[in-house]
Amino acid sequence: EVQLVQSGGGLVQPGGSLRLSCAASGFTFSSYEFNWVRQTPEKGLEWVSYISIGASTIYYADSVRGRFTISRDDAKNSLYLQMNSLRVEDTAVYYCARDRDYSNWYASDYWGQGTLVTVSS
Amino acid sequence: DIQMTQSPSPLSASVGDRVTITCRASQSISNYLNWYQQEPGKAPKLLIYAASSLQSGVPSRFSGNGSGTDFTLIISSLQSEDFATYYCQQSYSTPWTFGQGTKVEIK
Repeated sequence: EVQLVQSGGGLVQPGGSLRLSCAASGFTFSSYEFNWVRQTPEKGLEWVSYISIGASTIYYADSVRGRFTISRDDAKNSLYLQMNSLRVEDTAVYYCARDRDYSNWYASDYWGQGTLVTVSS
Repeated sequence: DIQMTQSPSPLSASVGDRVTITCRASQSISNYLNWYQQEPGKAPKLLIYAASSLQSGVPSRFSGNGSGTDFTLIISSLQSEDFATYYCQQSYSTPWTFGQGTKVEIK
């Protein structure tokens, strides 16, 4: 069974840092690409970052570029999001999601359970 | 960035109704369009990819169509478990963007 289990959320002060983790099981982790997506009631679903197989290609949303870093450890079957210089507007539920390649059409076919990040003083 | 606009929002319907949700892209995205369903407190679930391909395990009452800028998600006969929020997403170019969501409510 494919599972993505997230950890690492919580309350942090503005300017602080947090690292989110996403532990995968039930499939060959190294063969897939991944995204981080966040959600707020006000803005809905917002794509945050993408990492390719082998981490050769990485993308970020403009809103987090320079502050967030996506990474993967294929030996540990884990995906990470290092979040620095956090802002109040980064408050959201964060999801990791596996990207599946349907012959060059990509969609997120499995998602983690979500983890709440609250940035507040 | 490509803007995705869904309508209607919300949508009130009854069990057994045929439901149509529309998604419009601000520029052509060919058929790089996905549909997700989200229940309260849960992660999104993939329903349709490449505009019209049904994800494995998704009931056949769900279907999608469209190309270019205009897309639709159709639920042929609404079931009680289908009351949820539906999102479209373009995978044509980064940043991948989502519609604002369409909440399907009980009439």
